[in-house]
Amino acid sequence: EDQVTQSPEALRLQEGESSSLNCSYTVSGLRGLFWYRQDPGKGPEFLFTLYSAGEEKEKERLKATLTKKESFLHITAPKPEDSATYLCAVQAAAGYSTLTFGKGTMLLVSP
Amino acid sequence: DAGVIQSPRHEVTEMGQEVTLRCKPISGHNSLFWYRQTMMRGLELLIYFNNNVPIDDSGMPEDRFSAKMPNASFSTLKIQPSEPRDSAVYFCASTPQVGLGTDTQYFGPGTRLTVL
Repeated sequence: EDQVTQSPEALRLQEGESSSLNCSYTVSGLRGLFWYRQDPGKGPEFLFTLYSAGEEKEKERLKATLTKKESFLHITAPKPEDSATYLCAVQAAAGYSTLTFGKGTMLLVSP
Repeated sequence: DAGVIQSPRHEVTEMGQEVTLRCKPISGHNSLFWYRQTMMRGLELLIYFNNNVPIDDSGMPEDRFSAKMPNASFSTLKIQPSEPRDSAVYFCASTPQVGLGTDTQYFGPGTRLTVL
């Protein structure tokens, strides 16, 4: 069974204080690892897809990296508008596979 | 593009009543997913359709839940009878085609269901 564990559950940062969120996973052959952002009262919003170990992707202050067992979402010099819950999900390589989500990390960035 | 559209956005009902949630996927997307999100369990897949055909409904909690996709632009999730433990946010998502490399799922705004 595919599993995704995200840590920490919650993280509070000061504006400009860089940090990383962790996503550990077990999957029988990885097709892709997805990062989403979810604001309160809204649906998850797609950020990145990573397909192989060593791959990195960036978007503004966010950078996602991938190894064979985990992914990190690095947040550089965060701003209050980066406050949200960040969800990680994996998709297995076999057949019509679906996404298995972690429970997310709730990030709060204070001014 | 309007994105995935869900209705209603909020639903409050009493135990035992029938609840129907609606979803319109992004035009041209062939796969549709229904999820339930709670604090305790996070985001759980209930069922997904490919080309209007249900592929995997193993996440549907029990027979009280049913889902249909009569055409490519509309799907419903029905709970009958509803129970307080069904209270959650229900999301619909769509993707161009599962298994063909472009598997990014795009989510709707969700329906917050409260069963009293």
